[in-house]
Amino acid sequence: GNSVTQMEGPVTLSEEAFLTINCTYTATGYPSLFWYVQYPGEGLQLLLKATKADDKGSNKGFEATYRKETTSFHLEKGSVQVSDSAVYFCALSRNSGNTPLVFGKGTRLSVIA
Amino acid sequence: NAGVTQTPKFRVLKTGQSMTLLCAQDMNHEYMYWYRQDPGMGLRLIHYSVGEGTTAKGEVPDGYNVSRLKKQNFLLGLESAAPSQTSVYFCASRTQGLGTEAFFGQGTRLTVV
Repeated sequence: GNSVTQMEGPVTLSEEAFLTINCTYTATGYPSLFWYVQYPGEGLQLLLKATKADDKGSNKGFEATYRKETTSFHLEKGSVQVSDSAVYFCALSRNSGNTPLVFGKGTRLSVIA
Repeated sequence: NAGVTQTPKFRVLKTGQSMTLLCAQDMNHEYMYWYRQDPGMGLRLIHYSVGEGTTAKGEVPDGYNVSRLKKQNFLLGLESAAPSQTSVYFCASRTQGLGTEAFFGQGTRLTVV
């Protein structure tokens, strides 16, 4: 079946530190991959996505590259800010059929000044 | 632009009571989903719909029913609430196509006592 595994949190970083949140997936075929972010008290919102191998998604200083050979989609940011404190979810959707998004368990990030 | 709207935002139920959560989207999306979010568990799919009049079970469907009589609305029902259904419920919708984004509502925090 399809599944997503992401690193356990919580992650606590100082402002301007480098961030990596690991995500690996299992899926048949070639899924689309997503990172969603959830700020306190809110719903999830799309942060970035990639729909085919070697694509790089980027937004707000965050980046992730779709690596088919390692079935990974790690999230990175070079310099985090306090406002990046949130829960980050990796997700996939298959590109055939009507299958829903499958989410990882989420990684809570806290950035301290 | 409202996007995805969930009603109510908060609710406290007694064990055995019933209730319906309403999800409405104004983006003409074909697909709609109900997830529950619990600490350490990420988002788990309860039921989903790929079009008006169609529904399907997700990962954790027991104790819930759904209906999609109109394309823009997706109802989640609890016939006899149990404390194990205490959770935050999220509705999401997306359109067909490769790598399309899911849009989420703000969530409904349900407590069953």
